[in-house]
Amino acid sequence: GESVGLHLPTLSVQEGDNSIINCAYSNSASDYFIWYKQESGKGPQFIIDIRSNMDKRQGQRVTVLLNKTVKHLSLQIAATQPGDSAVYFCAEKKTGFQKLVFGTGTRLLVSP
Amino acid sequence: DAGVTQSPTHLIKTRGQQVTLRCSPKSGHDTVSWYQQALGQGPQFIFQYYEEEERQRGNFPDRFSGHQFPNYSSELNVNALLLGDSALYLCASSLRGPLDEKLFFGSGTQLSVL
Repeated sequence: GESVGLHLPTLSVQEGDNSIINCAYSNSASDYFIWYKQESGKGPQFIIDIRSNMDKRQGQRVTVLLNKTVKHLSLQIAATQPGDSAVYFCAEKKTGFQKLVFGTGTRLLVSP
Repeated sequence: DAGVTQSPTHLIKTRGQQVTLRCSPKSGHDTVSWYQQALGQGPQFIFQYYEEEERQRGNFPDRFSGHQFPNYSSELNVNALLLGDSALYLCASSLRGPLDEKLFFGSGTQLSVL
């Protein structure tokens, strides 16, 4: 399911390292995927999106990879900075349906 | 350009009470969705409003209801509050159309039910 309780998976990296956050999505019919960053006390903030007709999309310091065969999504953050510390969620959606389904969050901790 | 704004930021209620949360969408957006986020979990879809009507609903009981006004702002009402309703309630807005998936979230209302 979508909930994993209070113990989020955590990725700890050093400042300047590259980070990779993974996500397994649930619905093979989903055709739109988004990564959100959520800082403490704030709502999710849009990072990058990708449609199912693509397998890679790049933004500023971020890259999203989509593997539809194994229903896997990843977010790569280059030169990770302390300001990148947050919880990251992937989300999936099927065109024509308004419901966005969020996956398991991952806490990213960046040490100076 | 104001983003999505929600009020109040924090709220404390007791079991059985009713609560109303408010949301103003990002300028230019006409669609509002509400999500519930329990501690340590991802947001869960409650429902979406467009043209003042509920368009899609998640797996939430009828105690959860909403409204959208002509200026696109929205309210979420929860009746007969339960302890389990304690959560962060997020409002997200978007612009209906071919590229309407990009949701912009507010900072949420933290509801505590005692």
